Amino acid sequence: EPEVTQTPSHQVTQMGQEVILRCVPISNHLYFYWYRQILGQKVEFLVSFYNNEISEKSEIFDDQFSVERPDGSNFTLKIRSTKLEDSAMYFCASTWTGNTGELFFGEGSRLTVL
Amino acid sequence: RKEVEQDPGPFNVPEGATVAFNCTYSNSASQSFFWYRQDCRKEPKLLMSVYSSGNEDGRFTAQLNRASQYISLLIRDSKLSDSATYLCVVNKAEGYSTLTFGKGTMLLVSP
Repeated sequence: EPEVTQTPSHQVTQMGQEVILRCVPISNHLYFYWYRQILGQKVEFLVSFYNNEISEKSEIFDDQFSVERPDGSNFTLKIRSTKLEDSAMYFCASTWTGNTGELFFGEGSRLTVL
Repeated sequence: RKEVEQDPGPFNVPEGATVAFNCTYSNSASQSFFWYRQDCRKEPKLLMSVYSSGNEDGRFTAQLNRASQYISLLIRDSKLSDSATYLCVVNKAEGYSTLTFGKGTMLLVSP
């Protein structure tokens, strides 16, 4: 069964460091997303990406965040200068159409900022 | 008012019990509604979509009341494997796949 894969599964970093989280969406999907979940909190939307550009982003997704799809398979989330409050589980998701609620999530990358 | 509000839980029920989850949403422009399931420290997975007329999938029944902006999920004959957090999810508006999640209600089914 096709699945969304994410690396790393867990990353520990120092405050102020840059972090890149990587995702390989399901191959025939066209819409890609990053969500995050702070421990004990709800899943929150960060950004959606379609046709090689951001289609929507939330207030959380400020200038410290960026996404790109560098090679047609990987979809990355970069945090330029991490803060303690960036500690969370980051989920990548993909789907084949922009008008569905069935997102396929990866297993997540846990980011711990010290 | 929170965008998507759910019963805080947890719900502790014995195997075989029927359990109901409630959810309200604040965005009247939302057009699509879902229940996702999230196991501990795992990713969310779609359990079922929720249609205006109500829908059923085996032991699971979902209901939607647009006027009240209320969604429900009923699980009959609970199994141990149903233990998880149930997330009420709505989309931003028609044509958007951006999802807004509730915090979830944890269900613990005991033998």
